[in-house]
Order: sequence, then structure tokens, then C-alpha cells
Amino acid sequence: NAGVMQNPRHLVRRRGQEARLRCSPMKGHSHVYWYRQLPEEGLKFMVYLQKENIIDESGMPKERFSAEFPKEGPSILRIQQVVRGDSAAYFCASSVRGYEQYFGPGTRLTVT
Amino acid sequence: AQKVTQAQTEISVVEKEDVTLDCVYETRDTTYYLFWYKQPPSGELVFLIRRNSFDEQNEISGRYSWNFQKSTSSFNFTITASQVVDSAVYFCALSGGYGGSQGNLIFGKGTKLSVKP
Repeated sequence: NAGVMQNPRHLVRRRGQEARLRCSPMKGHSHVYWYRQLPEEGLKFMVYLQKENIIDESGMPKERFSAEFPKEGPSILRIQQVVRGDSAAYFCASSVRGYEQYFGPGTRLTVT
Repeated sequence: AQKVTQAQTEISVVEKEDVTLDCVYETRDTTYYLFWYKQPPSGELVFLIRRNSFDEQNEISGRYSWNFQKSTSSFNFTITASQVVDSAVYFCALSGGYGGSQGNLIFGKGTKLSVKP
């Protein structure tokens, strides 16, 4: 069974560019979550999605960040006009409703 | 508000020692879930255990055991006879029990465990 897949594993962007992070959940999982890990802040929840629905986006920054989980295809976390402070590891997790979350390997975003 | 505190930032032990990682949580929910995850140096997050608030039975899985005590709001993790491969950062996490709150894992800051040969 393939686990949660994230790509790219490493992403370098210049300030002002857009970053797109992709997440394919485990087979049979219809719930996707995004977390960000900053060195001094630890792991923080960003957003919880089901297919075509955002369930909880209470952890998403108000500007420049958006997430989607379309009917077909992977979930996408999009960061517009990246700044140095966006440099972090972004983790995606998936689950069956109400059960434990399994995490992907993460995408390390570096903004230069 | 929900909160998870892992007071031990770093722990260093010698192989074969037992080690306990502490986790204290705060929540007003009556139904909630507690988790432990392992993050080895390679960076991925590995699920270890999930426990719901109504199940206070201790759990043992090989060299790993967990002690859940609602009276002290603690969910401690013990590794028996530690091995070098146990070296990692261990995170305790908490989520609500209903609807959208189930998706929002609140993580502690993690405890970095170093096991020396």
C-alpha cells in the first residue's frame, strides 16, 4: 500500500514567486490535512479538507495561502508571492473519517 | 483552549536504558484523542499510537508503552531497553472528538531523544 505522497520533496523559490505543493492521500482516505513545521514554532495545523470541501481552515494565514482538494487529483497547497518567512517543511496527512492521520514525507520549501 | 506541553526538550540516554517522555495536555472537551508521532532524522512523521479519552487502559507494543492518566491530564510514553534507532524527535498531539475539530491536531513542541551506543 502506497503511503501519503507529497511532491516535490524539495522546492526552491525566489521571493515573489508562487509555490505549489501537492499531496496524494493514501488509498481509501478522503480526508486531507496540511501542517507547517517551522524551526522555532513546531508543527502547526493549517487546513483540513475533504473532496471539494474545506472543513477547517482556522490555521491558514489570511493572505497568499490557499488549499484545495478537487474531486479528481491531488490536494494542492498554494502559496502566492512567497516570502522568506514561508521557508518551512510542509506536511500533508490523510485519514479515514475520524481515524488517525498518516503523514507524508513533507515538502521542504526554501525561499531565497 | 487546547494545549500540549512536552517539558523535556532534549533527552540523552545510553543504549538499553529505559526512557520516559512526558506529555501533559489541556482541553475542555470531554471527548478527545491523544497521539504520539515519531520524527526520525530523515524527517518524516511516523504514527505510533492514538488513544481516545474514554480509554484509560495502558498500552504496550513491543518496547513501547503508554500511560494515560486523565486525573493528571498526562499521556506519557516509555521506551524500554532503548536502541540507537529510537533516536528521533517525538511529538505528542491532541485533537477534539467531533467534526472538524478531529482534524486539527495540536502538537507539543517535541522531545528530541538521543540514544548513544
